[in-house]
Amino acid sequence: NAGVTQTPKFQVLKTGQSMTLQCAQDMNHEYMSWYRQDPGMGLRLIHYSVGAGITDQGEVPNGYNVSRSTTEDFPLRLLSAAPSQTSVYFCASSARGYSNQPQHFGDGTRLSIL
Amino acid sequence: GQQVMQIPQYQHVQEGEDFTTYCNSSTTLSNIQWYKQRPGGHPVFLIQLVKSGEVKKQKRLTFQFGEAKKNSSLHITATQTTDVGTYFCAGRTNAGGTSYGKLTFGQGTILTVHP
Repeated sequence: NAGVTQTPKFQVLKTGQSMTLQCAQDMNHEYMSWYRQDPGMGLRLIHYSVGAGITDQGEVPNGYNVSRSTTEDFPLRLLSAAPSQTSVYFCASSARGYSNQPQHFGDGTRLSIL
Repeated sequence: GQQVMQIPQYQHVQEGEDFTTYCNSSTTLSNIQWYKQRPGGHPVFLIQLVKSGEVKKQKRLTFQFGEAKKNSSLHITATQTTDVGTYFCAGRTNAGGTSYGKLTFGQGTILTVHP
């Protein structure tokens, strides 16, 4: 019973590089979200999805792209990494009825942009 | 947009002392959730409050939802070293349209407990 799996756990990039953070869940959850966590800022929503083929922007979407081709996977793409994107990234999923269901978080990806 | 403010940002206590963190929203919330994140870990769901004035308890933890559904609190009685971590509240409004997938998190309160 893996829950929410994020890869990689750590990554160092150079400014301008691109990469994809992977997120997969095995709970058949409809809702998936990406958050970034910075000191003193709490968890800020980047993008979210309410089902396969449906995505929407969160609070801080600039510089990030997402897609949801399957229920299980919700990758986050950084198109051209910038130092301001240095952060810890968490993927979360929840069952239908998003606002009334607990969110299950992955272990996070710690990303540094040099 | 909706804002959820959480105070204090940090709290240092001696083991055995009580601890409280407060969450305030700029708008009326439909429900509020609380999460705990251990150092180096990920947020873990603790509880959800839905009703105005609701109070729920989990052992030494007491959660309250305000009468106006714009504020909430988490109180820990007689803290233990296992309580160390960051406590987050997360609230959602009953906004219409397609924005039904957004939870807004507070900034979190970092709790340290000295043995």
